[in-house]
Amino acid sequence: LAKTTQPISMDSYEGQEVNITCSHNNIATNDYITWYQQFPSQGPRFIIQGYKTKVTNEVASLFIPADRKSSTLSLPRVSLSDTAVYYCLVVIYNQGGKLIFGQGTELSVKP
Amino acid sequence: DVKVTQSSRYLVKRTGEKVFLECVQDMDHENMFWYRQDPGLGLRLIYFSYDVKMKEKGDIPEGYSVSREKKERFSLILESASTNQTSMYLCASSFGQGDLLGNQPQHFGDGTRLSIL
Repeated sequence: LAKTTQPISMDSYEGQEVNITCSHNNIATNDYITWYQQFPSQGPRFIIQGYKTKVTNEVASLFIPADRKSSTLSLPRVSLSDTAVYYCLVVIYNQGGKLIFGQGTELSVKP
Repeated sequence: DVKVTQSSRYLVKRTGEKVFLECVQDMDHENMFWYRQDPGLGLRLIYFSYDVKMKEKGDIPEGYSVSREKKERFSLILESASTNQTSMYLCASSFGQGDLLGNQPQHFGDGTRLSIL
C-alpha cells in the first residue's frame, strides 16, 4: 500500500539548518508535492510546494529528485518559533487519486 | 487573506447523536475538504467537494456524510456518533477551476476538537 514516510521527530538548535525528508512512492505524475507547518491549536499552514528539482521562497527550500520518490524540506537557520509539526502532502493515484498527508515530523528547536 | 472558519473549537456529544460540523470560507474557493487528525496518524481525508452539491470520498468516509449547498459552506455530518469518532476535525479550502487537486495550497481552519462520550 503506497504511503508517505517522515521521521516522527527531530531536534535542532537555533541557527542550524534543518532538513526533513518525506519518502513517497507511486505519486501522481503531474501533481505537486506540498509541505505544511502546524502549531499547537492551529490548522496547518502552507509553506512551500514544488514539482521537481529545487524551489525556494522566503521561508524554506524544497528539493525534489528526478524520480520524485522523496522530497526534502530545508529550513535555513531555524529559530525557536520554527518549533512545530511539519507535514508533506502528495497525491497518490494508485489509491484513486487520494490526497495523502505524511504522519508529520515534530521539530523541536532548542536555544 | 483567506479565512476558513469552523463553527466550534470544542464540542462534546453523546454516542448515537447526529452531529453537524460547519465550515465556511470567504475566498470563493471551489474545493473544500474535511480531515480528521489523530496522534500518530497525521491528517486523513474524510470527504472533499470540488463544487456545489458535488462530493467525493476520501480515505475514511465510513460513518460520515457531507453537504455542500452553497459554495462557501461545507458541512460534515456524523449520522450516529460513536466513541471512535472522537478526534480533531479540520476543514480546508483551495482554489480549483479544473486544476489538479494537489496543485493548489489548502487553507485550513483551526479545527474542532470533538469528544463523543
